[in-house]
Amino acid sequence: GAGVSQSPSNKVTEKGKDVELRCDPISGHTALYWYRQRLGQGLEFLIYFQGNSAPDKSGLPSDRFSAERTGESVSTLTIQRTQQEDSAVYLCASSLEGRVNSGYTFGSGTRLTVV
Amino acid sequence: AQSVTQLGSHVSVSEGALVLLRCNYSSSVPPYLFWYVQYPNQGLQLLLKYTSAATLVKGINGFEAEFKKSETSFHLTKPSAHMSDAAEYFCAVSEDGTASKLTFGTGTRLQVTL
Repeated sequence: GAGVSQSPSNKVTEKGKDVELRCDPISGHTALYWYRQRLGQGLEFLIYFQGNSAPDKSGLPSDRFSAERTGESVSTLTIQRTQQEDSAVYLCASSLEGRVNSGYTFGSGTRLTVV
Repeated sequence: AQSVTQLGSHVSVSEGALVLLRCNYSSSVPPYLFWYVQYPNQGLQLLLKYTSAATLVKGINGFEAEFKKSETSFHLTKPSAHMSDAAEYFCAVSEDGTASKLTFGTGTRLQVTL
């Protein structure tokens, strides 16, 4: 597609429920990133996929968080047993190569609210 | 480990006035530095980047930033603000261009008034 597409744009869920967030990167972009932006804080790195390499999961805050990507296409970020502190905007970005210098293209994010 | 500090979570300027958004970084090696802008309901867009070439970097929409190693700063400026510049601005750092991750600041929301 022309840009990075994220869905849903907004999600309200009850504490304890599982949620899935979807990211559709730009076609041909081999690298895909998930970041989290809590209110009043900077973007926090979560996970990075590059081609068929093992993902860099070093930013995932707990084992309730997981992400998958099939090949160089769609990625899904799953949060199990959601907690109120998971409320944030979840941003996805893709790039042509897995280098910051090649420039990220960000989606407009999914705003998650856990009540 | 690298870090970024953006002074001022909110900045308000009059239309036509100088825009100055501050960014200081901490890095153990010469950094790569970036400014991103986020307009309402849109994704972040790259404004400009410093990659160890010229210290004064020009970006889109009339913005520029100057890398000052002695001050560990990478402040963003624009001589004359326009209403359309109202957005949130993020400074980010990486320790090299081959790194896969950026470290972002907390953002500065720019308001432009008539």
